[in-house]
Amino acid sequence: AQSVTQLGSHVSVSEGALVLLRCNYSSSVPPYLFWYVQYPNQGLQLLLKYTTGATLVKGINGFEAEFKKSETSFHLTKPSAHMSDAAEYFCAVSVGYGGSQGNLIFGKGTKLSVKP
Amino acid sequence: DTAVSQTPKYLVTQMGNDKSIKCEQNLGHDTMYWYKQDSKKFLKIMFSYNNKELIINETVPNRFSPKSPDKAHLNLHINSLELGDSAVYFCASSQVAEKLFFGSGTQLSVL
Repeated sequence: AQSVTQLGSHVSVSEGALVLLRCNYSSSVPPYLFWYVQYPNQGLQLLLKYTTGATLVKGINGFEAEFKKSETSFHLTKPSAHMSDAAEYFCAVSVGYGGSQGNLIFGKGTKLSVKP
Repeated sequence: DTAVSQTPKYLVTQMGNDKSIKCEQNLGHDTMYWYKQDSKKFLKIMFSYNNKELIINETVPNRFSPKSPDKAHLNLHINSLELGDSAVYFCASSQVAEKLFFGSGTQLSVL
């Protein structure tokens, strides 16, 4: 069965510092992996996704993630944090294909705080 | 224009009542979903419809019944509301193999 573990429920960085949000997955089949961001009182928005091909995936707002099969990881990074990056971040794995690809297993989320 | 819209945004009701949440998407997507986010921010899929047909039905009490009158709409009806139903409910849509677009959520509070 697929599962996702996000290490650290809360990460705090200074503005301009590196952002690193950790995600490890478990999957019995080649995974489709996602990072979503949720701003306060809003729905989730896709940051980036990995399906096949290049293991370094670039997303919106300067975020990127690298799929490492040997480490079963899909960590999210951004070189320089901005105040507007403060939000809740969710890693997810898809448990279906085709019409069921939207059946996502989410991690418990990591709240990112950015200090001025 | 809002891509995925849910109404109402807030819903406060008494235990035992029946309530509905409506969702509409104007993206032309074939698949729509209902997700539940609990007080600890944990998200879990409830239902998925593809072209008005139910394709995912997770372990959800029978009191929850989704209805899809057409592929642009997926409503959620909840009977006999319980305290534990309090959560934020998100509607989402996607085209097959595409990303999910989420609505802004409906915060349900059962008193």
